[in-house]
Amino acid sequence: EVQLVQSGAEVKKPGESLKISCKGSGYSFTSYWIGWVRQMPGKGLEWMGIIYPGDSDTRYSPSFQGQVTISADKSISTAYLQWSSLKASDTAMYYCASSPLTGAFDIWGQGTMVTVSS
Amino acid sequence: SYELTQPPSVSVSPGQTARITCSGDALPKKYAYWYQQKSGQAPVLVIYEDSKRPSGIPERFSGSSSGTMATLTISGAQVEDEADYYCYSTDSSGNHLVFGGGTKLTVL
Repeated sequence: EVQLVQSGAEVKKPGESLKISCKGSGYSFTSYWIGWVRQMPGKGLEWMGIIYPGDSDTRYSPSFQGQVTISADKSISTAYLQWSSLKASDTAMYYCASSPLTGAFDIWGQGTMVTVSS
Repeated sequence: SYELTQPPSVSVSPGQTARITCSGDALPKKYAYWYQQKSGQAPVLVIYEDSKRPSGIPERFSGSSSGTMATLTISGAQVEDEADYYCYSTDSSGNHLVFGGGTKLTVL
């Protein structure tokens, strides 16, 4: 089965670091872009950036450049999204997505809820 | 920065045709894609490359694009189609992906 499985929900304090993961299976992980999407509570979808696991080519949306780091470990078919210093405004659901079926971002992870609160 | 504009809400009765628009300056040269997101669930791709339908998506979902506007059409909308719908595309450089603000479809 083609799928993306994300790591579990996180509760963190402001200033803490965090790395969440997205593991692909059932397809050639290195051959398709992985994207990360933020959805703040009650709000719309926002692209954060994309990475090509085959060569780690990474592109950030302007709003997220310098705020997060996207990486991938192709040896374990896993992509990552990390923060060095979380803020309360980072509280959101984060989704990963990839494109093995149609060339569009057609498979999505289940989402990882990140809550940042003192 | 590049923006895609959608109406905040669309409302139809069951069996009617729902049309959701997405406007953006780069759409004449870039594909539009559409997602359906039901409450508490991950988005689902319903249309890609302006008008193609992924396997498993009902035929009542269709897409088109003309000039700076892309349109998602749901012919004979059903109650289970109630959801938020998002378009996405890229800016003219192709380097940045952008979502529209989303449209809440009500079918009642």
